[in-house]
Amino acid sequence: RKEVEQDPGPFNVPEGATVAFNCTYSNSASQSFFWYRQDCRKEPKLLMSVYSSGNEDGRFTAQLNRASQYISLLIRDSKLSDSATYLCVVKRGGADGLTFGKGTHLIIQP
Amino acid sequence: EPEVTQTPSHQVTQMGQEVILRCVPISNHLYFYWYRQILGQKVEFLVSFYNNEISEKSEIFDDQFSVERPDGSNFTLKIRSTKLEDSAMYFCASSEEHGASYEQYFGPGTRLTVT
Repeated sequence: RKEVEQDPGPFNVPEGATVAFNCTYSNSASQSFFWYRQDCRKEPKLLMSVYSSGNEDGRFTAQLNRASQYISLLIRDSKLSDSATYLCVVKRGGADGLTFGKGTHLIIQP
Repeated sequence: EPEVTQTPSHQVTQMGQEVILRCVPISNHLYFYWYRQILGQKVEFLVSFYNNEISEKSEIFDDQFSVERPDGSNFTLKIRSTKLEDSAMYFCASSEEHGASYEQYFGPGTRLTVT
């Protein structure tokens, strides 16, 4: 079983639409959860951390369900600049590295 | 805004050669990491480094690989006797602390091509 599993997409959505991504993780010892964004051939950049209570940052809302080992990201009022690959990332803690999903490719169409 | 830098941006080497990839982490950060991403694949953790020692390493990080902080600013990844399958993007990252919630900032990466 993959450690972090995501639907690879691509998701093709019109500008202004709302889009949701889901992710599941297998390691119940995971302590921290993140969504990163990666543009083509660029480095991953942190979009937001994900907290158990859910959190929002502008047009982005992230949710975590520890019991189901499930993480989600909602993007409202999508912009052309949101086109990228969205990476679900978990971390066990301590000096462990980040464990990445393969990413979901999002294409916003004008 | 401080950033992680990496050199070179692209390295081409022949199979069997040694390469050294260089990184300058953010200046007040104490924890350093290397990741790799094979084309079309996910980002994979290689190693974490703190206080001049390896803290954690993945099963990918075998005897072919080594890391070093040769001075107060650089952090290097050495790959001995490169193989074709070492071709990938290598990302360096750093963080202030290693606690679970501390963000890791990534450098722009070095694209390694082994021919």
